[in-house]
Amino acid sequence: AQRVTQPEKLLSVFKGAPVELKCNYSYSGSPELFWYVQYSRQRLQLLLRHISRESIKGFTADLNKGETSFHLKKPFAQEEDSAMYYCALAGFQKLVFGTGTRLLVSP
Amino acid sequence: SAVISQKPSRDICQRGTSLTIQCQVDSQVTMMFWYRQQPGQSLTLIATANQGSEATYESGFVIDKFPISRPNLTFSTLTVSNMSPEDSSIYLCSGQGGGWLGYTFGSGTRLTVV
Repeated sequence: AQRVTQPEKLLSVFKGAPVELKCNYSYSGSPELFWYVQYSRQRLQLLLRHISRESIKGFTADLNKGETSFHLKKPFAQEEDSAMYYCALAGFQKLVFGTGTRLLVSP
Repeated sequence: SAVISQKPSRDICQRGTSLTIQCQVDSQVTMMFWYRQQPGQSLTLIATANQGSEATYESGFVIDKFPISRPNLTFSTLTVSNMSPEDSSIYLCSGQGGGWLGYTFGSGTRLTVV
């Protein structure tokens, strides 16, 4: 079975501070991992996928197979980054989500 | 990436009744899924909607309660049957495939059962 764990329900930082949202996974095969973001009153949006190794809105995430992690990072948080962030794993032909972390960036 | 239109966006229903939610994708997708997001919680996969055959349900979800149809590669419906207040939730559909990576989501249906 596949599982995604996001240990923090809430992460509160000040504007300009670094951010790291943790994600660990459990999967027997080769994982395909994603970060999704849900801003207030908006639909779920894809933020990052690990195979693209891209940076979106200043966020990056590196897959660490040894630690089975896919943490989301941003060096300098902005107030507009405040949202719910979900880590997700695609495997066995389905997408499974973690419980989500609410990021709150204060001025 | 594909765009998914989902309707209704919200509804308030009486207990014991049923509601059918529709999802239309603007391009063919290989896989379609239905999720539930209960208040303050993450997304839980209900089932995979298979084109031309019965849906594949996750543990805890059954066809009698959540019948699903997928007559073609761009359309699917989820029915929430014999509703109770515990079914109050946001229901989302998702599509994957068709030459792009990642999963796209509909805007969700906010269901309140009274």
